[in-house]
Amino acid sequence: GAVVSQHPSWVICKSGTSVKIECRSLDFQATTMFWYRQFPKQSLMLMATSNEGSKATYEQGVEKDKFLINHASLTLSTLTVTSAHPEDSSFYICSASVASSYNEQFFGPGTRLTVL
Amino acid sequence: AQSVTQLGSHVSVSEGALVLLRCNYSSSVPPYLFWYVQYPNQGLQLLLKYTTGATLVKGINGFEAEFKKSETSFHLTKPSAHMSDAAEYFCAVTPERLATGRRALTFGSGTRLQVQP
Repeated sequence: GAVVSQHPSWVICKSGTSVKIECRSLDFQATTMFWYRQFPKQSLMLMATSNEGSKATYEQGVEKDKFLINHASLTLSTLTVTSAHPEDSSFYICSASVASSYNEQFFGPGTRLTVL
Repeated sequence: AQSVTQLGSHVSVSEGALVLLRCNYSSSVPPYLFWYVQYPNQGLQLLLKYTTGATLVKGINGFEAEFKKSETSFHLTKPSAHMSDAAEYFCAVTPERLATGRRALTFGSGTRLQVQP
């Protein structure tokens, strides 16, 4: 149980285009989803916290107009990278929090974005 | 606020040798502590977690970790390394559940484990 999927697993796009990444909790309802970014050989950095039905909370330094997050249902959150640039190339990982007392999160397999 | 320090960005051991990956944390409230493993181009897989109760926690693949409050440490160990253990390991902390909302994880910088034949 507690499986999280991401789609696509990898994407290559041209500079200036927008890319949407989906994060789904397959067998549970996730009231909270988190989006992380991981640059090569580095740790995960939290970008934003997404609660179903409300606006996402962005970390300092993350542009909310560039990284649009929508959490329309208890099983789906999307991250749209708008007007992508080569410096946005990274590994994007989502996680979903189960409604338990342990703050446990289940991670998706990640999406590798390459902007040419 | 919390933070996590993983000493040693790279650790190399021989197959069959003891694995010790170090993690120290700071937290203003009682923490929940996690170890995750990441294989190349994949997401994170939970190895083990400490929430409450027994301070020595056992996880998957023969790994275990001990929560030592006095040392603010949560080191990860495995008695005998296997080639398949080669991966990136992340220690993470989150505050014990508060009255409202869920809290994201704060990750350490990661330790790459190499296992030599």
